[in-house]
Amino acid sequence: DAGITQSPRHKVTETGTPVTLRCHQTENHRYMYWYRQDPGHGLRLIHYSYGVKDTDKGEVSDGYSVSRSKTEDFLLTLESATSSQTSVYFCAISERGGVNTEAFFGQGTRLTVV
Amino acid sequence: LAKTTQPISMDSYEGQEVNITCSHNNIATNDYITWYQQFPSQGPRFIIQGYKTKVTNEVASLFIPADRKSSTLSLPRVSLSDTAVYYCLVSGAGSYQLTFGKGTKLSVIP
Repeated sequence: DAGITQSPRHKVTETGTPVTLRCHQTENHRYMYWYRQDPGHGLRLIHYSYGVKDTDKGEVSDGYSVSRSKTEDFLLTLESATSSQTSVYFCAISERGGVNTEAFFGQGTRLTVV
Repeated sequence: LAKTTQPISMDSYEGQEVNITCSHNNIATNDYITWYQQFPSQGPRFIIQGYKTKVTNEVASLFIPADRKSSTLSLPRVSLSDTAVYYCLVSGAGSYQLTFGKGTKLSVIP
């Protein structure tokens, strides 16, 4: 399995608090992605990175920010968590980006905002 | 990014061959077609990828007609462990994004 670790795996937080999720990889892959998954919506792309300090928005980026200061770590921050951000969050990595390469996913982080 | 359309759900009995078709009418010349599988409480897993004609690996086959406006994932002799959501993705080498739709939920019945 690809070396990709998400932390924490589970988190419960209160509305209005900041939350940071971490994705760590040991594969030295250039591309990293953050998704959220909700019932009835499949996987939706939040943000992605195509290199250190190079990031871009996905389809559901409002309320989220990301940072990538080194190749191995991609952080997702909810500046002020809301109940609508309760979800399962997945991180993915790929060597070349886009569809014509295999992406590897982490185990997911279940976030509950109360 | 090419839009994809696939059935929301499918049921199949154990031992049958399952074919899941994905429509991608506005596929571009340099786009590839990739399928992922997702089990409950896990991240998606790459199954197969193709550009045209037929691709086969140890897990599945992917059939792509000449016009490439659709593709069919074929799972031979499914078992209960094939119960999962299957996603069809279409994108080209120039796109960094990896966009999933809602997928097809396959339920294998004993």
